[in-house]
Amino acid sequence: AQSVTQLGSHVSVSEGALVLLRCNYSSSVPPYLFWYVQYPNQGLQLLLKYTSAATLVKGINGFEAEFKKSETSFHLTKPSAHMSDAAEYFCAVIPTGANSKLTFGKGITLSVRP
Amino acid sequence: DTAVSQTPKYLVTQMGNDKSIKCEQNLGHDTMYWYKQDSKKFLKIMFSYNNKELIINETVPNRFSPKSPDKAHLNLHINSLELGDSAVYFCASSQSGSPGYTFGSGTRLTVV
Repeated sequence: AQSVTQLGSHVSVSEGALVLLRCNYSSSVPPYLFWYVQYPNQGLQLLLKYTSAATLVKGINGFEAEFKKSETSFHLTKPSAHMSDAAEYFCAVIPTGANSKLTFGKGITLSVRP
Repeated sequence: DTAVSQTPKYLVTQMGNDKSIKCEQNLGHDTMYWYKQDSKKFLKIMFSYNNKELIINETVPNRFSPKSPDKAHLNLHINSLELGDSAVYFCASSQSGSPGYTFGSGTRLTVV
C-alpha cells in the first residue's frame, strides 16, 4: 500500500527562520499528495495539495511544497516562521485508482521559538 | 456555514455505554469517511461511504457501526465502549474524481 514517511517527530525553529518539513512517498506512480495542519485542539485544515499539475504548489499562510519525482519527495517549506505556525503537520497521500483512501503520515510537531 | 459539522464536540462517558456521533456535510459531496486519531495523533481511516454504500471498512471492532441515512450524513454508533476507544474521531467528505477531503472539527471521546 502506498504510504508517506515523515522523518522525526518534532522540529523547532526560531521566529523568522526557514521552516522545512520533510515528506517522502512510496510509489512508482505519482499519487496525489497533501499537507494538512492541525492547530492545538482543532480539526484538520488543508494547507496545499499536489494533483499532477504544477510541481511547485503554493498553499495558505505562506506555505509551499515542491513535488520531486526523482526523490519521491513532497517537502513543505515556509521562508519565515511565525509564532502562529506552531502546530502539528501531516503529509498525506491518495493513490491513483478507484476507491483510494487518504492515508496520513505520523505527523510532525512544529515549535516556533520567539 | 460549516462545511462538515460533527456533534458533539466533546463526549465523556463510562465504559460499557453506547454512544453515537453525528456528521453532516453541506458540500454536495458523494463520499464520507470516519477517521480515528489516537493519543499519539496518528490518523487512521475507519469507514468510507459512497452514496450511502459502504466501500471501505478497515479492521475495526464490530462494536463500531456506521450508518448513512443519505449522502449528506454519516453517523457512527459505538456499542459497549472501552477505555481504548478514547480518541478524537474525525468525519470527512470528498467528491468522486476530485482529490481532497474536507474534515470536520472532530469529536473528542473520553471513556472513563
